[in-house]
Amino acid sequence: GAVVSQHPSWVICKSGTSVKIECRSLDFQATTMFWYRQFPKQSLMLMATSNEGSKATYEQGVEKDKFLINHASLTLSTLTVTSAHPEDSSFYICSARDGSGGGYEQYFGPGTRLTVT
Amino acid sequence: TQLLEQSPQFLSIQEGENLTVYCNSSSVFSSLQWYRQEPGEGPVLLVTVVTGGEVKKLKRLTFQFGDARKDSSLHITAAQPGDTGLYLCQAGGTSYGKLTFGQGTILTVHP
Repeated sequence: GAVVSQHPSWVICKSGTSVKIECRSLDFQATTMFWYRQFPKQSLMLMATSNEGSKATYEQGVEKDKFLINHASLTLSTLTVTSAHPEDSSFYICSARDGSGGGYEQYFGPGTRLTVT
Repeated sequence: TQLLEQSPQFLSIQEGENLTVYCNSSSVFSSLQWYRQEPGEGPVLLVTVVTGGEVKKLKRLTFQFGDARKDSSLHITAAQPGDTGLYLCQAGGTSYGKLTFGQGTILTVHP
């Protein structure tokens, strides 16, 4: 089955620093990748959609200069949280859509727990 | 973004009971997915339904897509503690555009 990995699985950083999270599709090419944010006991909130080789499309209310997304290849997308603050602490999840199939399903990574102190 | 209403938001039941989770919208969807998520992990795809009226079974889980492709349900028979988790529905429009998540249902099955 389609596998998506995320790295790191958890990270603790100090306020004001930047953190990069990687999302990789391991056995398929992902034409589209999605980044979500999730608070405890809540659903996933879409932050942005990225297509390989083009700029990401951000959801309303998501600061593109703070959450930098790069989708440089068909198997890798990165999310960089710049100048992180405690309110950025959250569970960040990526997903990837297999462009070769019917295109309905997304495959999710295991998530990255970010804690900003 | 199309709105997807999921209910109930919380469900706490005893082992052996049956339950149903609903996912409703005023929009027509080309497909609808159900996921289950455990704490600290990413959602895992359970099923995709694409045809109006479609019913799919996965062991004790039964998924149904409404005839008009605007709603779906997930029914669990004889729930077990291992079924505990966050259940999410997600649907996409006919243009392969943005996929929308429901609010999620937190299911707790007590032994």
